[in-house]
Parts: sequence; C-alpha cells; structure tokens
Amino acid sequence: EIVLTQSPATLSLSPGERATLSCRASQSVSTYLAWYQHKPGQAPRLLIYDVSIRATGVPPRFSGSGSGTDFTLTISSLEPEDFAVYFCQHRSNWPPWTFGQGTKVDIK
Amino acid sequence: QVQLQESGPGLLKPSETLSLTCTVSGGTVSFYYWAWLRQSPGKKLEWIGYIYYSGSTDYSPSLRSRVTMSVDTAKNQLSLRLRSVTAADTAVYYCARGLDYNYYYLDVWGKGTTVIVSS
Repeated sequence: EIVLTQSPATLSLSPGERATLSCRASQSVSTYLAWYQHKPGQAPRLLIYDVSIRATGVPPRFSGSGSGTDFTLTISSLEPEDFAVYFCQHRSNWPPWTFGQGTKVDIK
Repeated sequence: QVQLQESGPGLLKPSETLSLTCTVSGGTVSFYYWAWLRQSPGKKLEWIGYIYYSGSTDYSPSLRSRVTMSVDTAKNQLSLRLRSVTAADTAVYYCARGLDYNYYYLDVWGKGTTVIVSS
C-alpha cells in the first residue's frame, strides 16, 4: 500500500498570503494524484486531479505540481473561504487508493 | 447540481450489520462509478470500495470479506452493507461519485454520516 504523507499538519496564514502544501508518496504514483478541500460540516470538494488539472469551477489561484513522489498544492493568495483542511489522494494502483492525513490551513 | 445524502443508523452494537443508503438528487446514478469511504477518528480517509451503476464492484482487501455494495437505478440510490461490525468500524461514512472516466477521483461527495459501534 502506498502511503501519502502531508506536511505541514497545520499552516497558519493570513488572507492574501501564499499557501504551499506538500504531499509525499512512499513510492512513485507517477502523475496520478488529486487534492481535495474539506470544510467542517460540508462535503469534500475535488480541487485538482492528475497533479495539475483543476476540477470544474475551481479558481485559478489553486495550482498543483509535482511527479513521482513529491507533490505540491499552491494557493497563490488566500481568500477567506480557503481556510479548510486539504488532503491528497493517489490512484496509482488498486487496491487500494489511499489518502494523506490532511493539512489544516487556518487563519493566523 | 448533483447532491448526495448518506443515511442510516447512527449507533450499532458489535456483531451487527451496518446498512447505509446514499440518495442521489439532481442527477442520475446511471453511467457513473460510485464510491464508499470512511474516516475513523484520528485516521486517514479510507476507501471501502466502488461500484459501477451496472452493479460491478471492487472492494478494498481489508474489508472485502464483510462488505456488499449495491445500486438501485430506479430509486437513484446506493447501498452499503458491512457485516459483523466492531468498534474499529466507528467512523464517518461517505458516498461519492467518480469523475467520469477518471472514476478514481471523486468529484461529488456527501457530507457523511457518523456511525458509532458500541455495546
């Protein structure tokens, strides 16, 4: 099973700042990686898939990069609605596809 | 706008069978893959398995012996059954839709339903 490790666990930033979130895989997942956003009491939301493809309706301030084992989600300028938990997911091989433990982006 | 709503008993006793339903509104279950996932307290999200609208399934090896998924296209619902539950099955359970042919990515999720297993 491929293990995804996210860092940092918590990122404290102010609106307008740049957020950089990391997801590292225990072995290569090629470019088969997605990012989701999850706010308390809401359904998770797909942001990015296949490393860098934004899902429908996702604003361009969200971008993804990386390949192999190291991946990054960047939020170029944080909006108030971006404070949430973000988690990554691979689909490199089934079974199973796995998730990272999440990074919480909170307001500084 | 497609919405998913999970429902089922919030509390179960050990050895009982968990039965959950996911109702799809604003869209159809047809022509999509659907997934069930869960997140136990303090743990990562975990795939339980997925089902195509035709009924074909694939389950996570760790749960395969206890899980059954089904789809009812007439009711626009998905179902999950998990037999012989233990405290380790306490979790928030989610249903989600696969992103078209990229069905391993999930583009619509429910808000989740909490299931507690306790004697």
